[in-house]
Amino acid sequence: DIQLTQSPPFLSASLGDRITISCRASQDIRRYLAWYQQKPGKAPKLLIHSASTLQNAVPARFSGSGSGTEFTLTINSLQPEDLGTYYCQQLNSYPRTFGQGTRLEIK
Amino acid sequence: EVQLVQSGAEVKRPGATLKISCKTSGYTFIDQYIHWVRQAPGKGLEWMGLVDPENGDTIYARKLQVRLTLTADTSTNTAYMYLNRLNTDDTAIYYCATGPDWFDAWGQGTQVTVSS
Repeated sequence: DIQLTQSPPFLSASLGDRITISCRASQDIRRYLAWYQQKPGKAPKLLIHSASTLQNAVPARFSGSGSGTEFTLTINSLQPEDLGTYYCQQLNSYPRTFGQGTRLEIK
Repeated sequence: EVQLVQSGAEVKRPGATLKISCKTSGYTFIDQYIHWVRQAPGKGLEWMGLVDPENGDTIYARKLQVRLTLTADTSTNTAYMYLNRLNTDDTAIYYCATGPDWFDAWGQGTQVTVSS
């Protein structure tokens, strides 16, 4: 199974900040990576697929990059509604594993 | 608009069997796999498996494959998840999800509590 390691596990940032979350895969997954945002008590929401393609209606302050084993989610100009937990997921092979999550707190 | 609506919360005894439904609308049911994902209290997302509604083919996570059954009813555009021999570690929120490959539509989640 492909393992995904996210870092950091917890992030506290201020409004307007630029933050980055890393996701490292245990083997080459090309660009078969998605990012999700989960707010407390809600189902996850797709933000980005294919490593860098922004899902419809997702604000442009979100962006993704990377390929192979190293990926990054960036949020520019952090907004209050961005709090939550962020997960990466690999779509290269089964089982469709997720990273362990990065919890984002707004200071 | 793609919608996935799941059945309601469940409380089960250890050893029982769980059944959750996921009724879909807004797209062609047979065109996309239905995946199931669960989340234990305070924990991350765990992919459980998928069913292909077109032919009933399934893929299961190795740790669950002996207890998990996924089905799809094309007459009602509804997917079902059965998990037997429940134990307290199965206490979680269970989600169905679908999409072209990534999961761009999710059910609202079903809270399942396993307790004696």
